[in-house]
Amino acid sequence: QITLKESGPTLVKPTQTLTLTCTFSGFSLSTSGVGVGWIRQPPGKALEWLALIYWDDDKRYSPSLKSRLTITKDTSKNQVVLTMTNMDPVDTATYYCAHRRVAAAGYYFDYWGQGTLVTVSS
Amino acid sequence: QSVLTQPPSVSGAPGQRVTISCTGSSSNIGAGYDVHWYQQLPGTAPKLLIYGNSNRPSGVPDRFSGSKSGTSASLAITGLQAEDEADYYCQSYDSSLSALFGGGTKLTVL
Repeated sequence: QITLKESGPTLVKPTQTLTLTCTFSGFSLSTSGVGVGWIRQPPGKALEWLALIYWDDDKRYSPSLKSRLTITKDTSKNQVVLTMTNMDPVDTATYYCAHRRVAAAGYYFDYWGQGTLVTVSS
Repeated sequence: QSVLTQPPSVSGAPGQRVTISCTGSSSNIGAGYDVHWYQQLPGTAPKLLIYGNSNRPSGVPDRFSGSKSGTSASLAITGLQAEDEADYYCQSYDSSLSALFGGGTKLTVL
């Protein structure tokens, strides 16, 4: 059974760096083909893909946020960490981590964490 | 502005059939990448509803179906039920190696 859970601060100040941790179980990020992604959702708005890390440590980032994002993994702890620099109030959102599954062409997210709401305010 | 375009809202009466469209371009859906659909009930995380254009994960009723043609995809829901009231999102992939989500569609069951 695959589960994921996000953790991190609920409130950050503008210009600060956000660090979120995704702790998962039921799979290993050292297994070929496995990936974990981060997706966010501002209140009342649409989902936005942020980043993805693969079992082989390959990383992909949203082009619009690439300069601010870093995704890393700790295979021994079954964790994926996302950092986002220079936080702004527009970054207020619920942040989700999700397990990536390969499709015939592309990929999708078959298991999601419950999400964690991050508010950016002074 | 999402790269994948969905209608902001659709509605239907119980028992009716509704469809939700997802329009992309030649660099994503039209390039042959699969389309997937998620259902998000109020206050909850998205749930995978359709993967690989038309496949249902175990436990998803066959009232939900998906299709894809050219640069667009559609989600159809038949026999509409009150519990189907939710936000629906399409997702695909881009030649820039990015995952893409649609803007979401709010389904109201009248």
